[in-house]
Amino acid sequence: EVQLVESGGGLVKAGGSLRLSCAASGFTFSTYSMGWVRQAPGKGLEWVSYITGSPTFVYYADSVEGRFSISRDNAKKSLFLQMNSLRAEDTAVYYCASSPAGFNYFDHWGQGTLVTVSS
Amino acid sequence: SSVLTQPPSVSVAPGKTANITCGGNNFGRKSVHWYQQKPGQAPVLVIYYNSDRPSGIPERLSGSKSGNTATLTISRVEAGDEADYYCQVWDTSADHWVFGGGTKLTVL
Repeated sequence: EVQLVESGGGLVKAGGSLRLSCAASGFTFSTYSMGWVRQAPGKGLEWVSYITGSPTFVYYADSVEGRFSISRDNAKKSLFLQMNSLRAEDTAVYYCASSPAGFNYFDHWGQGTLVTVSS
Repeated sequence: SSVLTQPPSVSVAPGKTANITCGGNNFGRKSVHWYQQKPGQAPVLVIYYNSDRPSGIPERLSGSKSGNTATLTISRVEAGDEADYYCQVWDTSADHWVFGGGTKLTVL
């Protein structure tokens, strides 16, 4: 069974940093692309970032480019999102999601971790 | 860049058919994917590549695409189908994933 478990969310002041993690199991992690999608309270889904398996390519939404950094550790089957210079508008539930290599949809999602940025 | 437009809400009586549309300004050959999100839960993929269903998704849910409009059709709607539905594409020109604004399906 595929499982994606996010951690690292919490309350942080504007301008601060936070590092999210996503532990994966139940599939061959290294062969999958992975992404982060967020959802502000009461709002819709917003794609944040995406990283391919191998070779590694990374992509970012314009709203986080230059502030967020996505990475992965295939040996530990983990995905990360380093978030710097956080803003109030970054407040959201952050979901980790998997995408079969070469395809452009997310087939499995974690339960999400809440990030709250106080101004 | 791509913009996906969905109606904010759709209402349907139990047993009837619900059609949720997703309009794109530049669909072209892009494939459309659909997700279902129930309150307090993570999204679930229900349709990929316009009309394919992942295993475990009921046949009552189907997808289609014509021109600049994709449609998620839910036949014989049940109370359990009440959820938010999002369409999504990969914008190749910007290397960005794009989600529609979401449609809240209400079962009357």
